[in-house]
Amino acid sequence: ETGVTQTPRHLVMGMTNKKSLKCEQHLGHNAMSWYKQSAKKPLELMFVYSLEERVENNSVPSRFSPECPNSSHLFLHLHTLQPEDSALYLCASSLGGNTEAFFGQGTRLTVV
Amino acid sequence: AQSVTQPDIHITVSEGASLELRCNYSYGATPYLFWYVQSPGQGLQLLLKYFSGDTLVQGIKGFEAEFKRSQSSFNLRKPSVHWSDAAEYFCAVGDPSSGDKLTFGTGTRLAVRP
Repeated sequence: ETGVTQTPRHLVMGMTNKKSLKCEQHLGHNAMSWYKQSAKKPLELMFVYSLEERVENNSVPSRFSPECPNSSHLFLHLHTLQPEDSALYLCASSLGGNTEAFFGQGTRLTVV
Repeated sequence: AQSVTQPDIHITVSEGASLELRCNYSYGATPYLFWYVQSPGQGLQLLLKYFSGDTLVQGIKGFEAEFKRSQSSFNLRKPSVHWSDAAEYFCAVGDPSSGDKLTFGTGTRLAVRP
């Protein structure tokens, strides 16, 4: 248990659906990130929020929309996804300044 | 841009044998370096990290890693592997100037033979 909780753990959605992934941490961290983990590819950083402001957006398609309402919560809103978006989506939090990142257990997303 | 190479995709060792997982990085200065482990269906757990100072870093579960600037390497070692060490291991680089951004290698999957 790392203190970072992701829900749901598994999600199957159609290409026309809209869904959201949730990440929550109560570690007192001020930076939260989304990573995408696909088979046989390195973890890809998608978005970074520091002090609730987006500081990194790694050319992610607009069908992925992050939201950080406060320093403890991070969402990833999904709409009109493609099958190639199926992956494990990991949330991480840290104190910032390249201190160690604590990861959640991930959401296994399948787009059908 | 920083990058990380883990040249070994799969490694199999016998229980009790020693282990070394390779990691090479590309970065203009001294980066922050991390090793994470991922068990099936789980997130990533930090094993150890290097920011500065002593180049031999001790981590959890009996792991250690050595930063070698001349070789741009940060190899992970364990003197005696346990069956529970079977997992996937990821090396990561952090850019001290950009903050909160980690670049990961493709991972090495470790199997442990009884």
